[in-house]
Amino acid sequence: EAQVTQNPRYLITVTGKKLTVTCSQNMNHEYMSWYRQDPGLGLRQIYYSMNVEATDKGDVPEGYKVSRKEKRNFPLILESPSPNQTSLYFCASSLRRPLKDEQYFGPGTRLTVT
Amino acid sequence: AQKVTQAQTEISVVEKEDVTLDCVYETRDTTYYLFWYKQPPSGELVFLIRRNSFDEQNEISGRYSWNFQKSTSSFNFTITASQVVDSAVYFCALSDNYGQNFVFGPGTRLSVLP
Repeated sequence: EAQVTQNPRYLITVTGKKLTVTCSQNMNHEYMSWYRQDPGLGLRQIYYSMNVEATDKGDVPEGYKVSRKEKRNFPLILESPSPNQTSLYFCASSLRRPLKDEQYFGPGTRLTVT
Repeated sequence: AQKVTQAQTEISVVEKEDVTLDCVYETRDTTYYLFWYKQPPSGELVFLIRRNSFDEQNEISGRYSWNFQKSTSSFNFTITASQVVDSAVYFCALSDNYGQNFVFGPGTRLSVLP
């Protein structure tokens, strides 16, 4: 089944404790992206990747890192999480740039930083 | 800078009523893309439609229809004969021509009451 998977789905952590949210897609998609969803703000793009070893900042990259060493994986790294990073995070992928191709979203990861 | 406004935070209708969700966007690009996504209570994001800036033809898909008006920078979404299953948060989104940066609106929560 074609899908985007994220792990963990739920995470509660403390300020300053490094964490990684994994994202994997099995559709051989080139484009992958991370978003955070906050009430009243919709989804905001954190980082995106056009292909392996090609990543770029979205609208709200501060406090996050990403890597794209393999085509299927696009982990989101919070080196020193802070409470303002409490949010619902979505990973997405599409075959190429998400213009001609539909963007598929993962199920979301709800992160709470205390 | 690109911006998407969804002025309606929440809408409630009774089943079988028609409802229109408004989306107004701002961009300096001449080529851009507009999207609508649905987020049902289960949380996943479902792609509904993509429209490029050169295609102002309105589209109908079953009970869904979209009205794209470049003159007013609007891309409104109408659900005809609404059903309880239409209850969800609906997001309008805007992408530049390169499909790299996505900007989402804050969303409209639609509740369809039986």
